[in-house]
Amino acid sequence: GNSVTQMEGPVTLSEEAFLTINCTYTATGYPSLFWYVQYPGEGLQLLLKATKADDKGSNKGFEATYRKETTSFHLEKGSVQVSDSAVYFCALFWGKLIFGQGTELSVKP
Amino acid sequence: GAGVSQSPSNKVTEKGKDVELRCDPISGHTALYWYRQSLGQGLEFLIYFQGNSAPDKSGLPSDRFSAERTGGSVSTLTIQRTQQEDSAVYLCASSLDVLGSNQPQHFGDGTRLSIL
Repeated sequence: GNSVTQMEGPVTLSEEAFLTINCTYTATGYPSLFWYVQYPGEGLQLLLKATKADDKGSNKGFEATYRKETTSFHLEKGSVQVSDSAVYFCALFWGKLIFGQGTELSVKP
Repeated sequence: GAGVSQSPSNKVTEKGKDVELRCDPISGHTALYWYRQSLGQGLEFLIYFQGNSAPDKSGLPSDRFSAERTGGSVSTLTIQRTQQEDSAVYLCASSLDVLGSNQPQHFGDGTRLSIL
């Protein structure tokens, strides 16, 4: 079946550090891929998406590239800020969203 | 309203009682989804509705769970004879079209359900 696996957290970084959150997927076809973010006390928000192989999604300084050959969609940001502290969810869409387990990011000043 | 609206925001009830959770999707969105977010299971799909098609109920965990969508808009998720393991945040999302998978799902703030 379809599934998403992402790196376990929590991840703790200092401000301006480089961020990578790994995400790999298993799918029977070629799903659309998403990163959602949940800030403390808030609902899930779409961060970025990619709909086909080699597409790069980007938003708010975050990027992720749809890699079919490695079935991956790793999230990256060159310089994190305290305001990026949140839980990040990788997901694939195949009739419905299938989420990874979430990765908590904590950025310290 | 501009976003997906869910009510109540919090619900505390005794084990064995029935509960109803409501979702108002974004106007014009034809697809509506229910998910559950719990500590042990993460984010799980429950059910989705698309227009007048039969709903996909494949994610409902037991026959105590049911959902309706009236008039293609508002949806109600009902849990009968609640159990403690039903405690979770129930999230509703809507999107323009389920077949257009590049249309993002917009989530409500959820209903936090606590079973005593």
